[in-house]
Amino acid sequence: DGGITQSPKYLFRKEGQNVTLSCEQNLNHDAMYWYRQDPGQGLRLIYYSQIVNDFQKGDIAEGYSVSREKKESFPLTVTSAQKNPTAFYLCASTSSSYEQYFGPGTRLTVT
Amino acid sequence: AQSVTQPDIHITVSEGASLELRCNYSYGATPYLFWYVQSPGQGLQLLLKYFSGDTLVQGIKGFEAEFKRSQSSFNLRKPSVHWSDAAEYFCAVGALYAGNMLTFGGGTRLMVKP
Repeated sequence: DGGITQSPKYLFRKEGQNVTLSCEQNLNHDAMYWYRQDPGQGLRLIYYSQIVNDFQKGDIAEGYSVSREKKESFPLTVTSAQKNPTAFYLCASTSSSYEQYFGPGTRLTVT
Repeated sequence: AQSVTQPDIHITVSEGASLELRCNYSYGATPYLFWYVQSPGQGLQLLLKYFSGDTLVQGIKGFEAEFKRSQSSFNLRKPSVHWSDAAEYFCAVGALYAGNMLTFGGGTRLMVKP
């Protein structure tokens, strides 16, 4: 089955540690996105990538980093510089249309 | 820049009643519009989309939405709500200028009373 996988579903880290969230898709989509979702809020774009080895900052990129070495993979690193990292993180991908397909999300808790 | 407003943060309806969730957008050109649904702790699932053509679009799970350019709206409707429809609903508008990006509204949480 084609789709997007995110792992792990739940992630716990101590403050000051970097953490990397995985996102893999087998839909052969060119573009991939990372969103952050906080309780009661909509989705805010962190980073997006339209092609391999290229990515752009979204609205809230500070404290985050990404890479796009393979078409299928778009990992997100939450660095210690991110002031409030506890959130629900969603990965998405799209082909030539605007329809975005979402993964199941990773809930990150930093204490 | 485009923006999306969902005026209702929470809506409660009785099972079997009709539903309308409001969405207003701001965009300088013809928008691409979407409705997504999210169950707690899950990703988003596409309900329906409008690109062009017929302004009344049908989606999955019995939902429909109507694009009204004059009102800059794209309201989601369902004639009879089921308890399983309880979830959060997001309206989104597509941006033409870069990256197939979507701008999302803040969401409407739907609760269904038995």
